[in-house]
Amino acid sequence: SQQGEEDPQALSIQEGENATMNCSYKTSINNLQWYRQNSGRGLVHLILIRSNEREKHSGRLRVTLDTSKKSSSLLITASRAADTASYFCASGGGSNYKLTFGKGTLLTVNP
Amino acid sequence: NAGVTQTPKFRVLKTGQSMTLLCAQDMNHEYMYWYRQDPGMGLRLIHYSVGEGTTAKGEVPDGYNVSRLKKQNFLLGLESAAPSQTSVYFCATAQGGEQYFGPGTRLTVT
Repeated sequence: SQQGEEDPQALSIQEGENATMNCSYKTSINNLQWYRQNSGRGLVHLILIRSNEREKHSGRLRVTLDTSKKSSSLLITASRAADTASYFCASGGGSNYKLTFGKGTLLTVNP
Repeated sequence: NAGVTQTPKFRVLKTGQSMTLLCAQDMNHEYMYWYRQDPGMGLRLIHYSVGEGTTAKGEVPDGYNVSRLKKQNFLLGLESAAPSQTSVYFCATAQGGEQYFGPGTRLTVT
């Protein structure tokens, strides 16, 4: 069963605006990761936050993790048309580096 | 470096036919995974391998078999394809927490 659930399912914004996506998960985790998927392509790793971290930055990306609420958020600042993609959260807590993926948020950035 | 490659990119099968999807990696990673992606379902783990000669079941293993005879290759087999196996299949590798994905194989079973 899918453990992660992203919210919203779809988000449409204008170039230059910020985009926030949320993710909830059900069981304890070692880390929470975010991936991007451009249409028709494989997933690309964006950022990993460990369970003992609360916030992490990478370029225009900011990820937060609240283990008490079993939730994470991904903020993309100053969005660009090239950011148009689906974004997935993936929780890592099992053995063998297995991940459980959510259903994704489709982000559309309009120029 | 090619990273993770998948063969073929597209395939159409008739119900009952068999086929093998090949995943190859040149990153020397121990862990490899096969996922399927269906609309609105995210990615679901089919099988995975923690090293050469090992395989294990994931979330949705029924109807699939896998083999990891060489460290760099992970094969996914469909012995008797069914329309429910129409999907996009992704292979991934991992070394540490992060996973690296191939470009995918789009399979249609009619």
